[in-house]
Amino acid sequence: AQSVTQLDSQVPVFEEAPVELRCNYSSSVSVYLFWYVQYPNQGLQLLLKYLSGSTLVKGINGFEAEFNKSQTSFHLRKPSVHISDTAEYFCAVNQGGSEKLVFGKGTKLTVNP
Amino acid sequence: DTAVSQTPKYLVTQMGNDKSIKCEQNLGHDTMYWYKQDSKKFLKIMFSYNNKELIINETVPNRFSPKSPDKAHLNLHINSLELGDSAVYFCASSRSGGARQETQYFGPGTRLLVL
Repeated sequence: AQSVTQLDSQVPVFEEAPVELRCNYSSSVSVYLFWYVQYPNQGLQLLLKYLSGSTLVKGINGFEAEFNKSQTSFHLRKPSVHISDTAEYFCAVNQGGSEKLVFGKGTKLTVNP
Repeated sequence: DTAVSQTPKYLVTQMGNDKSIKCEQNLGHDTMYWYKQDSKKFLKIMFSYNNKELIINETVPNRFSPKSPDKAHLNLHINSLELGDSAVYFCASSRSGGARQETQYFGPGTRLLVL
């Protein structure tokens, strides 16, 4: 069974600082990987996804993530965060052949002035 | 135009009642989902329909019954509500092919509080 671990439940940072939100997955077969963001009192929206090809994926709002197969990781990064990036971030994995998307428990990013 | 809409946005009800949450998408997608997000923000899939056919049915009490009258709508009916059903319920949709590689588009959520 596939699972997703987001190592940090909360990440506080100052505005304009870089940030990395960590995500590890467990799967013995090929996977598709996603990062979704949930702003307060809203639904989730896609930040970026890795399906195949280049391991560095660029998404919306200046975010990027790197797929590392040997470390089974898909960490999300942004070089300089804004107050408006304060939100809950969810890593998700879909194992090839499965219809189901499995979400991590989320990381709450708080950007302070 | 709202892509995925849910009604109601808030639902406060007593234990034992029966309630429904409606979901509609205007994206022309073939696949729709229901998720439950608990108080710790953990998001778990409940059901998925593709072209009105049930394709995912997780371990959910049979008090929960999804109904898809057409591929643009997926409603969730809950019988005999319990305190533990309090959560935020999200509807989502994606293009044909299911969850494998397609982006899922989420509704704004329905906040259910059972008293």
